[in-house]
Amino acid sequence: RKEVEQDPGPFNVPEGATVAFNCTYSNSASQSFFWYRQDCRKEPKLLMSVYSSGNEDGRFTAQLNRASQYISLLIRDSKLSDSATYLCVVNPNDYKLSFGAGTTVTVRA
Amino acid sequence: ETGVTQSPTHLIKTRGQQVTLRCSSQSGHNTVSWYQQALGQGPQFIFQYYREEENGRGNFPPRFSGLQFPNYSSELNVNALELDDSALYLCASSPGPDTQYFGPGTRLTVL
Repeated sequence: RKEVEQDPGPFNVPEGATVAFNCTYSNSASQSFFWYRQDCRKEPKLLMSVYSSGNEDGRFTAQLNRASQYISLLIRDSKLSDSATYLCVVNPNDYKLSFGAGTTVTVRA
Repeated sequence: ETGVTQSPTHLIKTRGQQVTLRCSSQSGHNTVSWYQQALGQGPQFIFQYYREEENGRGNFPPRFSGLQFPNYSSELNVNALELDDSALYLCASSPGPDTQYFGPGTRLTVL
């Protein structure tokens, strides 16, 4: 079983729409959780950390469900610039990050 | 920008050759991690260096080796290149064990 699994999408949404997607992780001892954003042929960039209480950063909301071992990301009022691959990332121990394969989001005009 | 730099940006090698990739970490970051990202996949952890010592290793064969220097910059060496080594190689630096900041990567093509 993969450490982090994501729905690959693609999610194709119009500007202004809300889009949400999840990922699941296998290691229940994982301590830290993140969403990274990756544009085509570029490096991953930290979008936000995910906290147990849930957190919001502008139009982005992340939730963590430890009991079910899943993490979600919701994007409100989608912009064209939100088109990217979103990587779900889990820190299962002190030193490495485990990445999902990514969820592709395309926002159309 | 993250302040993490990598060189070269692109590289083409043939099977059996050796390659060295370089990374300069962000100022103040003493931890460097290396990842391999194949097309359509998420980055896979290769290893991490903390204060010049290997601090953890992923599921990669010994022909993948690394080094960290006193200024915390780092090298990734791959011997006996195989076609499947073609990928984007990412370096990430961090001030501690958690949040990591990625460089632009080196795209390696093995023919």
